[in-house]
Amino acid sequence: RKEVEQDPGPFNVPEGATVAFNCTYSNSASQSFFWYRQDCRKEPKLLMSVYSSGNEDGRFTAQLNRASQYISLLIRDSKLSDSATYLCVVTLSSNTGKLIFGQGTTLQVKP
Amino acid sequence: GAGVSQSPRYKVAKRGQDVALRCDPISGHVSLFWYQQALGQGPEFLTYFQNEAQLDKSGLPSDRFFAERPEGSVSTLKIQRTQQEDSAVYLCASSRTGEPGYTFGSGTRLTVV
Repeated sequence: RKEVEQDPGPFNVPEGATVAFNCTYSNSASQSFFWYRQDCRKEPKLLMSVYSSGNEDGRFTAQLNRASQYISLLIRDSKLSDSATYLCVVTLSSNTGKLIFGQGTTLQVKP
Repeated sequence: GAGVSQSPRYKVAKRGQDVALRCDPISGHVSLFWYQQALGQGPEFLTYFQNEAQLDKSGLPSDRFFAERPEGSVSTLKIQRTQQEDSAVYLCASSRTGEPGYTFGSGTRLTVV
């Protein structure tokens, strides 16, 4: 079993739609949680951190449920420019910062 | 420099050839990571340096893979006797203190033929 699991998709949605991605992680010792965005043939870039209290950044909302070992990302009012792969990421220790990535979920927003 | 620089951008190697991939991190960044990303997959951790010390090499897939960072800045990932399964994008990332919010380079796309 992979340490971080995501539905690879693709998710095909129309502009303006709301879309949600889910992710589960296997190690209860996971300490930090993130969503990264990766455009085709580009490097991953940090989208947002994820906190137990939930956090929002504009149209993006991230949630963490430690008891269920579950992370989510909600995108409201999808834009064409949101088309990318979204990577769920955890760390086991804040000492090294070693990131453990999920497979990624591909989102395609269509006009 | 302004970002993490990796070279070459693309590398085609014949099976059995040795390759060396270079990473030039952001100036002053203490921590440096190498990741391998196969097509359609998320990046997989290879190794981690803090300054010149290689603190974690648990992700290196075989003894054909070797990484170094002798002066605590530029790092080289070397793959000996390349195999087709080594074909992937090799990503380097750096950060100031090992905190997870670090910057990735554009990667080296290695194709072994």
